[in-house]
Amino acid sequence: DAEITQSPRHKITETGRQVTLACHQTWNHNNMFWYRQDLGHGLRLIHYSYGVQDTNKGEVSDGYSVSRSNTEDLPLTLESAASSQTSVYFCASSRDTYNEQFFGPGTRLTVL
Amino acid sequence: DQQVKQNSPSLSVQEGRISILNCDYTNSMFDYFLWYKKYPAEGPTFLISISSIKDKNEDGRFTVFLNKSAKHLSLHIVPSQPGDSAVYFCAASYGNNRLAFGKGNQVVVIP
Repeated sequence: DAEITQSPRHKITETGRQVTLACHQTWNHNNMFWYRQDLGHGLRLIHYSYGVQDTNKGEVSDGYSVSRSNTEDLPLTLESAASSQTSVYFCASSRDTYNEQFFGPGTRLTVL
Repeated sequence: DQQVKQNSPSLSVQEGRISILNCDYTNSMFDYFLWYKKYPAEGPTFLISISSIKDKNEDGRFTVFLNKSAKHLSLHIVPSQPGDSAVYFCAASYGNNRLAFGKGNQVVVIP
């Protein structure tokens, strides 16, 4: 069955380290998204991509980057982790504009 | 500035009764609305959606109503079941598949 996976599921890191969170989908969806969920904020969009080599900033993109070298993967990189980036991160994908997004299981990141 | 608002953060309802969740939005350009359900330690799962050209959409026990003039939508769950206990997120987009989410409503269904 097609699916969307995230790894690792849990990560503890130190301030200043570079961290990469993986997202892989097997639906062959063009659109992929990264969100963070924090108490009192719901889900906020970090970065998104509409296809290979396309990346765009969302509402909370500072300190994060993404790259899209193939259809299946959209890794999220924290260039220099900060305690404010402690959060739960969700990856999602969708086929096209008026279709629902399918979410991965999430990665809980703690920055000490 | 939050474009999608969900007030009344939590709701408790007896099993078999109706659950009603409300959502207000500020951006009149939104033309597609979705509801997601989320269990702890899992990703959100899609429940139901509605296009701005409609005012109602049903899927089994779930019905979404849209009032464009009031910039308001609601989700009705009838009858509520214990497995419906979860956090529900309202989301909206305007033609680019970028979703703006509300903060979520915690629903507890009491057996």
